Amino acid sequence: DADVTQTPRNRITKTGKRIMLECSQTKGHDRMYWYRQDPGLGLRLIYYSFDVKDINKGEISDGYSVSRQAQAKFSLSLESAIPNQTALYFCATSDLVGAAGELFFGEGSRLTVL
Amino acid sequence: DAKTTQPPSMDCAEGRAANLPCNHSTISGNEYVYWYRQIHSQGPQYIIHGLKNNETNEMASLIITEDRKSSTLILPHATLRDTAVYYCIVRDYNTDKLIFGTGTRLQVFP
Repeated sequence: DADVTQTPRNRITKTGKRIMLECSQTKGHDRMYWYRQDPGLGLRLIYYSFDVKDINKGEISDGYSVSRQAQAKFSLSLESAIPNQTALYFCATSDLVGAAGELFFGEGSRLTVL
Repeated sequence: DAKTTQPPSMDCAEGRAANLPCNHSTISGNEYVYWYRQIHSQGPQYIIHGLKNNETNEMASLIITEDRKSSTLILPHATLRDTAVYYCIVRDYNTDKLIFGTGTRLQVFP
């Protein structure tokens, strides 16, 4: 089983619908992240969390919200999806504080908003 | 957050060394340089990181200039499986954010 699991892997929805992307990890890491990737572009940080009680906005948080239900779970919600939120979404985890910890990524959730 | 600049694409012959450059002229003293790669649309994979000194692991070597304003990732013997987009990133020690740029698309050819 993957260390970082994202569900669903693919989702097609309509404008105005509420969507939740879920991420769970078995690595025991405190830090979790949500990134978005558009075609031909790099990853952009949406939200990140350093522990269960900590939530921080990233570069592009507008239109998104997150919930850190437990150390192992970090969910991304689109309250009212719009077509320009069509993208590939990645969850990631990290362990070390500040210094030299690598990020471990899930396999991605491809979201299409019609 | 410091920005990075990378060439959009590079080619390399299989078996040869691939040298991927990165400029990070605004890097500050507490920021690490990280390299990740992404094969197709899979989740990015960690390659290597460094602060001041050159680093080497089983995947690659990282050469950081003395002024830390640029670095080079070296894949010593590129294979076809190394074809991917390579991201050079600076990571802030305090905020722990990783901000990705657009990366370099490396094509390894036979």
